[in-house]
Amino acid sequence: GAVVSQHPSRVICKSGTSVKIECRSLDFQATTMFWYRQFPKQSLMLMATSNEGSKATYEQGVEKDKFLINHASLTLSTLTVTSAHPEDSSFYICSANPHHGRQRTNYGYTFGSGTRLTVV
Amino acid sequence: KQEVTQIPAALSVPEGENLVLNCSFTDSAIYNLQWFRQDPGKGLTSLLLIQSSQREQTSGRLNASLDKSSGRSTLYIAASQPGDSATYLCAAAGYQKVTFGTGTKLQVIP
Repeated sequence: GAVVSQHPSRVICKSGTSVKIECRSLDFQATTMFWYRQFPKQSLMLMATSNEGSKATYEQGVEKDKFLINHASLTLSTLTVTSAHPEDSSFYICSANPHHGRQRTNYGYTFGSGTRLTVV
Repeated sequence: KQEVTQIPAALSVPEGENLVLNCSFTDSAIYNLQWFRQDPGKGLTSLLLIQSSQREQTSGRLNASLDKSSGRSTLYIAASQPGDSATYLCAAAGYQKVTFGTGTKLQVIP
């Protein structure tokens, strides 16, 4: 089945530094990947849609200069949290649909294992 | 704008009981509805996927139903076990976007 690998699973960084999170589709090509954020005891909220070879689409209220997304290949999307602050501490998770854009209804979305970011 | 709500927010049952988790969505124009399980501090595990043209899906002790017209889906868990303890999320997939529910935190007591 479709597998999405996310790395790292857990990261602690100092305030003001930048952190990069990688999301890879292991056995399929993903022209589109999705980045979510989950605050404690809340549901997942879509942050942005990553598009291979073009700019990401950000949801309202998400700072594109703070959360840099790069989707340089069909199997890799990265999310960089720049100048991280304690309020950026959260659980970040990526997702892709192996059949996004074609026969989309046949399969659901596959999620990475998530990254727990703690900014101290 | 799609809104997905799950009731109850938390549920505690003794082992062996059958239970139902509810999910409602406001926009019936969905491609599919997916149920996930999330363990504390972990990612999401897909449990069941129901396409918009389907009424239900079954996997082992799990059965999920979908009624698009009323904007509802249910997840039925038979003979619950302590290992079923987790947060259950439903997600409605529309064009280009998946909207998650608020989750139901389930605790199965041995």
